[in-house]
Amino acid sequence: DTEVTQTPKHLVMGMTNKKSLKCEQHMGHRAMYWYKQKAKKPPELMFVYSYEKLSINESVPSRFSPECPNSSLLNLHLHALQPEDSALYLCASSQPTGRNTEAFFGQGTRLTVV
Amino acid sequence: DAKTTQPTSMDCAEGRAANLPCNHSTISGNEYVYWYRQIHSQGPQYIIHGLKNNETNEMASLIITEDRKSSTLILPHATLRDTAVYYCIIEGYGNKLVFGAGTILRVKS
Repeated sequence: DTEVTQTPKHLVMGMTNKKSLKCEQHMGHRAMYWYKQKAKKPPELMFVYSYEKLSINESVPSRFSPECPNSSLLNLHLHALQPEDSALYLCASSQPTGRNTEAFFGQGTRLTVV
Repeated sequence: DAKTTQPTSMDCAEGRAANLPCNHSTISGNEYVYWYRQIHSQGPQYIIHGLKNNETNEMASLIITEDRKSSTLILPHATLRDTAVYYCIIEGYGNKLVFGAGTILRVKS
């Protein structure tokens, strides 16, 4: 199984809502990532978890709150988002052992903030 | 983190080889060169990676210059399904995979 599964595929939320994006992998990977991608732009790294601990936070606003409850799951909790946060949110996973490893990406959650 | 420079876009005729260049003049000695592609509305897909030597797999070949300041991704027989954005990435410390602008490859029949 070389899949990274993201749910939901589409999400519409109001600016006062709280919602969560979920990501799951069963490849035994111990590094997991969140990216944000706006239309016609490259993916922007948001967070990296290594061995279930947050290792990189790319100065992401606190309205985005990541969580890694176990080695297979990664969540992104959303609260008080702005319309400009509308984007495709991508999850990825890889082995954290050095740099000789490929990352697998999910198909993303397309988020619209209204 | 090492930066990469790629052409904004390229065209390739179907069935011909597509050669996608990437400059990474600030690469460090132990940093790998990775290539990913993203087909419209899908998640990025890993293609190939290398450190010093040329690499080949079922999808592509990667040629890295001896000084490691540039590399070329080669798709030997491009098809219409290879139309995508191709990203050359130097992986930073701590699994930091940062995407640059990439090259839009259009394969035409």
